[in-house]
Amino acid sequence: SAVISQKPSRDICQRGTSLTIQCQVDSQVTMMFWYRQQPGQSLTLIATANQGSEATYESGFVIDKFPISRPNLTFSTLTVSNMSPEDSSIYLCSVDRGSMNTEAFFGQGTRLTVV
Amino acid sequence: QKEVEQNSGPLSVPEGAIASLNCTYSDRGSQSFFWYRQYSGKSPELIMSIYSNGDKEDGRFTAQLNKASQYVSLLIRDSQPSDSATYLCAAVNAGKSTFGDGTTLTVKP
Repeated sequence: SAVISQKPSRDICQRGTSLTIQCQVDSQVTMMFWYRQQPGQSLTLIATANQGSEATYESGFVIDKFPISRPNLTFSTLTVSNMSPEDSSIYLCSVDRGSMNTEAFFGQGTRLTVV
Repeated sequence: QKEVEQNSGPLSVPEGAIASLNCTYSDRGSQSFFWYRQYSGKSPELIMSIYSNGDKEDGRFTAQLNKASQYVSLLIRDSQPSDSATYLCAAVNAGKSTFGDGTTLTVKP
């Protein structure tokens, strides 16, 4: 399994500001994913972070709101921009083992509260 | 229709009983299926994976897959209070995981 370090683990932010979440993996991985889990709900995929190219966003998520970087095969960042209280969620980074259709490994998550 | 649907909870069982969790999926291209357990305030952790039709047993857990019916289930035998958590079903296609809404299980001592 991969060891994934995600930070910050939690933050309280003012509306209108931005927060960048970092995800570091202990080995090179092909695919990194960013999920959001709103209170009481399941995980929703925001985007797939691709190394060397732009991220692929899911329906309902846009780059201006959630810019993603993937500078190398072990690191990615997700920025939540111009935050509003509706952005209060847990944000999770995950990776797979590099082969298709394998299980996802998750970081410990970032609990974001926007006030 | 959601891509991955789980039986609505919450589910409550007495200690020592069998807990049965069900999941259906709509994407026939899904190749792999996983069950994750999520304790409140924590990240999901993998507990079972299944790729082929039939049953797969691991300790107190048994996963069942029927691709023709697009159905996945998880049985937890001899349920313990520590099994109390939300269980997420996930279907994977081309590396992308789609999660159900989860079923919250409470095991009462």
